[in-house]
Amino acid sequence: EVHLVESGGVVVQPGGSLRLSCAASGFIFDDYTIHWVRQGLGKGLEWVSLINWDGTRTYYGDSVKGRFTISRDNSKNSLYLQMNRLRTEDTAIYYCVKSSTAYNDGSLHYWGQGTLVTVSS
Amino acid sequence: SYVLTQPPSVSVAPGQTARIPCGGNNIESKSVHWYQQRPGQAPVLVVYDDTDRPSGIPERFSGSKSVNRATLTISRVEAGDEADYYCQVWDGGSDCVKFGGGTKLTVL
Repeated sequence: EVHLVESGGVVVQPGGSLRLSCAASGFIFDDYTIHWVRQGLGKGLEWVSLINWDGTRTYYGDSVKGRFTISRDNSKNSLYLQMNRLRTEDTAIYYCVKSSTAYNDGSLHYWGQGTLVTVSS
Repeated sequence: SYVLTQPPSVSVAPGQTARIPCGGNNIESKSVHWYQQRPGQAPVLVVYDDTDRPSGIPERFSGSKSVNRATLTISRVEAGDEADYYCQVWDGGSDCVKFGGGTKLTVL
């Protein structure tokens, strides 16, 4: 059974930094593209970033480009999101999501339960 | 950039059919995926690649596409189908994932 468990969400001040982690199990981790998707309170889904199976290609949403960095460690079945220069509008639940394929246009097949990031002074 | 448009809400009586549209320019050339999100829960994939259902998703859920529109159809609607529904595509022109704004399905 596929499991994705996010961690690292805390309260952080504007301008601060944070690193989220996602521990994956139940599938061959390095066969798949993995995404981060976030959702503000009472808002819709917003795609944040994706990383391909071997970490050589990364893509970002416009609102986080230049501030966030996605990475993965296939030896540890883990995904990361380094978040810098945080803004109040980054406050959201962050989901780690396994793609259905190794490609960018696959569906977002399995979702973790999310970790809450709150940016507030 | 590519935009997916969904109505904010759709209402339907139990046992009837709900149709949730997702509008997008030339959407027929893209693979469309649909997600259900019940209150307080993570999203769940209910339709992928326009028309396919993941294992465990009831046959009552189906997807279709026409010119500039994709549709999620839920037949014989039940109270447990009440949720937010999102369509999603990969925008190859901008190298990014796009979600529709979401539609809240209310079962009357």
